[in-house]
Amino acid sequence: DQQVKQNSPSLSVQEGRISILNCDYTNSMFDYFLWYKKYPAEGPTFLISISSIKDKNEDGRFTVFLNKSAKHLSLHIVPSQPGDSAVYFCAAKHPPGTYKYIFGTGTRLKVLA
Amino acid sequence: DAGVIQSPRHEVTEMGQEVTLRCKPISGHNSLFWYRQTMMRGLELLIYFNNNVPIDDSGMPEDRFSAKMPNASFSTLKIQPSEPRDSAVYFCASRSGPRGGNEQFFGPGTRLTVL
Repeated sequence: DQQVKQNSPSLSVQEGRISILNCDYTNSMFDYFLWYKKYPAEGPTFLISISSIKDKNEDGRFTVFLNKSAKHLSLHIVPSQPGDSAVYFCAAKHPPGTYKYIFGTGTRLKVLA
Repeated sequence: DAGVIQSPRHEVTEMGQEVTLRCKPISGHNSLFWYRQTMMRGLELLIYFNNNVPIDDSGMPEDRFSAKMPNASFSTLKIQPSEPRDSAVYFCASRSGPRGGNEQFFGPGTRLTVL
C-alpha cells in the first residue's frame, strides 16, 4: 500500500506560469518531507524540504506547503521555466529519527516554451 | 567531489544469470541506500546501511537479492538468479553523518534489463 501518493502522473504548464505538484500521505507519524527532481538518465537531486512543524518553506522559485490536517503537501514553482521539465518525487522520512525515506511514484512536469 | 558513482550504467543479462551492481558513496558519508525505480512503484528503498552495517533490509524483495558493504567506500547489490521482473533502474544514494542535512545524494543509476 502506497503511503506516499502522487496521483498526477504528468502535468503540462506554460512557461512563466505557476506549476503546482501535489503529494498525499497516509501516515501521520511522518516528520519530514522532501522533494526531489529527476532528469532522464540521471539520479534524483534534492530540491527542497519541510519539517512537519512548519507549514511553508521557500527557496527562490520553489515553495513547499504542508497541510498536516489534510496529510497533503504541494510544491509550487513560480515562474516555471523550460529547464524545470523533469520528474518530481515527493518523499517522507519514516520512522522518526531514521533516514529512511518513502517515495511517491513521481509526477512528470513539462514546461512549454 | 565526484558524487556517488555507480557501475555499470547499463546491464543486459539473461534470466538465471547473476548480476552485481556496484556503488561508491561520497567520501565521508556514512549512510548508504539502495533503491529500485519502476513505473508502477516509483522509487522503492531496498536496503540501507549505516557505518557499513545493514540497518533495514525490509525492502529487499526476496532471497535472490543480497547487498554488502565491506567498507565505507564500496557497496554491492547482487541478484542471483536474475528474473525478467527484476528489470528496473537501480539507484544508490549516500548521506552524511548525524550533523549532515536530511537529503540523500543519488548516483546516476544502473539500468538493468533481464531478458
